[in-house]
Amino acid sequence: EDQVTQSPEALRLQEGESSSLNCSYTVSGLRGLFWYRQDPGKGPEFLFTLYSAGEEKEKERLKATLTKKESFLHITAPKPEDSATYLCAVQPNTGNQFYFGTGTSLTVIP
Amino acid sequence: DAGITQSPRHKVTETGTPVTLRCHQTENHRYMYWYRQDPGHGLRLIHYSYGVKDTDKGEVSDGYSVSRSKTEDFLLTLESATSSQTSVYFCAISEFYEQYFGPGTRLTVT
Repeated sequence: EDQVTQSPEALRLQEGESSSLNCSYTVSGLRGLFWYRQDPGKGPEFLFTLYSAGEEKEKERLKATLTKKESFLHITAPKPEDSATYLCAVQPNTGNQFYFGTGTSLTVIP
Repeated sequence: DAGITQSPRHKVTETGTPVTLRCHQTENHRYMYWYRQDPGHGLRLIHYSYGVKDTDKGEVSDGYSVSRSKTEDFLLTLESATSSQTSVYFCAISEFYEQYFGPGTRLTVT
């Protein structure tokens, strides 16, 4: 069964304190792994797509990496505006469905 | 921002009444999706469309139907709303792999 597990559920960081969010997945062949950011009351906002193990993508203070079993979203020197829920999703290479994790709620304290 | 709108944005309805939610896109993307988001479950796929009049079921399709008569519009219908369908509903569009989400519709069934 295709599934995605994110950890931790919630994370509180001091401003400038770097950390990582984890996304573990089980899928029968991976077409792509996706990271999204979701602010309260809004729809998810696309951040990154990763296709194969060893791939890395960066955007400002965020860096996403991928292995055969999990992905990490590294946040370097976070700022309060990085506070949001970060969602991970996978798309198997069969069919058109996407499977989402339940997210990590990140709070960055000034 | 991707051109996706959802209507209505908020709706309160009574158990047993029919409800239709609308998703409209201006991006001419081929794929359109309906998700529901509930605490502890994350985003779950209800139905998706891969072209005009071409639709398929997702993992939580019971009690929902969809229609797509034009590229730009994807309708989600609850034939007879139940309290378990109280949720936030998101539409998403996709041309290749990454999805872009609308602002959501908060539906309350009393």
